[in-house]
Amino acid sequence: GENVEQHPSTLSVQEGDSAVIKCTYSDSASNYFPWYKQELGKRPQLIIDIRSNVGEKKDQRIAVTLNKTAKHFSLHITETQPEDSAVYFCAASPNTGNQFYFGTGTSLTVIP
Amino acid sequence: SAVISQKPSRDICQRGTSLTIQCQVDSQVTMMFWYRQQPGQSLTLIATANQGSEATYESGFVIDKFPISRPNLTFSTLTVSNMSPEDSSIYLCSVRTGLTDTQYFGPGTRLTVL
Repeated sequence: GENVEQHPSTLSVQEGDSAVIKCTYSDSASNYFPWYKQELGKRPQLIIDIRSNVGEKKDQRIAVTLNKTAKHFSLHITETQPEDSAVYFCAASPNTGNQFYFGTGTSLTVIP
Repeated sequence: SAVISQKPSRDICQRGTSLTIQCQVDSQVTMMFWYRQQPGQSLTLIATANQGSEATYESGFVIDKFPISRPNLTFSTLTVSNMSPEDSSIYLCSVRTGLTDTQYFGPGTRLTVL
């Protein structure tokens, strides 16, 4: 089955700086890669996703890049704000309708 | 996006008892899942709830311990049976809509077993 690794496990940045979280996956059949943000005590919320036919996707301060050859994808948050502080999970899915395989999570702290 | 509700939102239970968690979606969805999230940990898939048939369980999870029902396309239940303190966790219902791969999570049920 798919194995998703996520790094770093914790990340602290100064407000206004950028944050990068990286994930690798093992199954070359994976073609859908969502990112979730989970604030303390709340449910995971989808913040951005990318499919294997696209190399990069951006939504305001958030971007995701995908390198299919190297089997890794990354989340980039620019101009970080304190409200970006949360745990972020990456995931990979081999095919539509199949389960998601989640990374271990990154706890991001943005220091005002 | 799908609106998902779960009941109860939290419960404190005695060991040896069972708790049934309900998941209700405001629209028909193709797939429903049940996850467990232990404190500070990632999301672990328990099973895929199949409409009208037995759930598909992941390695390490069995039907006798986590019976699941899905009588229709908008509702599912997860029962945590014969609970022990190790079952203390957050249990999350998740759904995937038919048109995209997008997966949404319910608010979760925080279970504490004494």
